[in-house]
Amino acid sequence: AQSVTQLGSHVSVSEGALVLLRCNYSSSVPPYLFWYVQYPNQGLQLLLKYTSAATLVKGINGFEAEFKKSETSFHLTKPSAHMSDAAEYFCAVIENNNAGNMLTFGGGTRLMVKP
Amino acid sequence: NAGVTQTPKFQVLKTGQSMTLQCAQDMNHNSMYWYRQDPGMGLRLIYYSASEGTTDKGEVPNGYNVSRLNKREFSLRLESAAPSQTSVYFCASRMTGITNYGYTFGSGTRLTVV
Repeated sequence: AQSVTQLGSHVSVSEGALVLLRCNYSSSVPPYLFWYVQYPNQGLQLLLKYTSAATLVKGINGFEAEFKKSETSFHLTKPSAHMSDAAEYFCAVIENNNAGNMLTFGGGTRLMVKP
Repeated sequence: NAGVTQTPKFQVLKTGQSMTLQCAQDMNHNSMYWYRQDPGMGLRLIYYSASEGTTDKGEVPNGYNVSRLNKREFSLRLESAAPSQTSVYFCASRMTGITNYGYTFGSGTRLTVV
């Protein structure tokens, strides 16, 4: 069975600092991996996805993530945090042999950006 | 705008009351899903419908029922609400057959059971 672990339920950075949100997955087969962002009182918006092509994936708003099979990781980074990045971020996985192709989510990481 | 529409956005229920959460998508997606979001637990799947006419249980189905009314609509019913069902509920949809195709989410229904 697939699972996702996000290390750190809360991460605080200063504006302009590097953002690093950690995600590790467990999957019996090569996975498809996603990062979603949720702004306050809104639904989830897709940031980026890994689909077995390039291991470094670029998404919206300057975010990117790197798939590392040896580490079973898919960490999200952004070189310079902006106040508008404050939100909750979810890592999710789909196994490509899952008939229902259901997303399994991590517990989420709330990113706070200090001025 | 195209997307997933959920109604209502907010609801307060008394213990034992029933209600139906509505969800509709206009993207011609085959699969639809209901999740609940609780602090620190991410999103957990309640029920899903892989295609029109089929529904299946997810991780936390107890206390809920669903109906896939047609390809566009997928409703979630609470027959006898309990305080443990206080949560934010999200409906989502996706196109079947494309494994790397991400989900599109609605904006959520915030439900409080008192």
